[in-house]
Amino acid sequence: DQQVKQNSPSLSVQEGRISILNCDYTNSMFDYFLWYKKYPAEGPTFLISISSIKDKNEDGRFTVFLNKSAKHLSLHIVPSQPGDSAVYFCAASAEETSGSRLTFGEGTQLTVNP
Amino acid sequence: DAGVTQSPTHLIKTRGQQVTLRCSPKSGHDTVSWYQQALGQGPQFIFQYYEEEERQRGNFPDRFSGHQFPNYSSELNVNALLLGDSALYLCASSVGTGGSYEQYFGPGTRLTVT
Repeated sequence: DQQVKQNSPSLSVQEGRISILNCDYTNSMFDYFLWYKKYPAEGPTFLISISSIKDKNEDGRFTVFLNKSAKHLSLHIVPSQPGDSAVYFCAASAEETSGSRLTFGEGTQLTVNP
Repeated sequence: DAGVTQSPTHLIKTRGQQVTLRCSPKSGHDTVSWYQQALGQGPQFIFQYYEEEERQRGNFPDRFSGHQFPNYSSELNVNALLLGDSALYLCASSVGTGGSYEQYFGPGTRLTVT
């Protein structure tokens, strides 16, 4: 049962353009959502998060949008830079039932071309 | 400030053997979670330790066991290794077990079972 899904295994964008990564979830108990970035041979690095009481959170070039009714979130990167090329994981947690246990999606490989 | 450290970096074992992986959490963190990341997949939650006790467990067999020491470091033990146990094993640390607390990941231990 894949509770968090990232349907696009890969995404390629030009430097300076917007990157949009998508994530869908099925468990309505999820109340906290996170995006992690992973380079080869490194562990995932926290990027940005959003609580279920919000619909948008912004941090510099990164913005996460949450649509609870659609059980969908997205990560926008503007402008995209070649250094953003990495695998991006969407993750979710359910504070009440499972605390900080994270459920991850399969990841999306983002390639930003110069 | 050292982040999360894991040892060893790489490990090759034979089917049926036992393995122990080690994790030191980020300074100030008291909770350690372990994840298994198979090739092309997102990390899967194995278990979480807090106050030297297993607090949560994912869908993994009893062959997977762990321990947390008084200094908050942790070990992951896998008995009777199977070929399917080949994966990247990630350790993550955080403060407490709340869902909104950011988890910091180590670089992982790459386990290959032959």
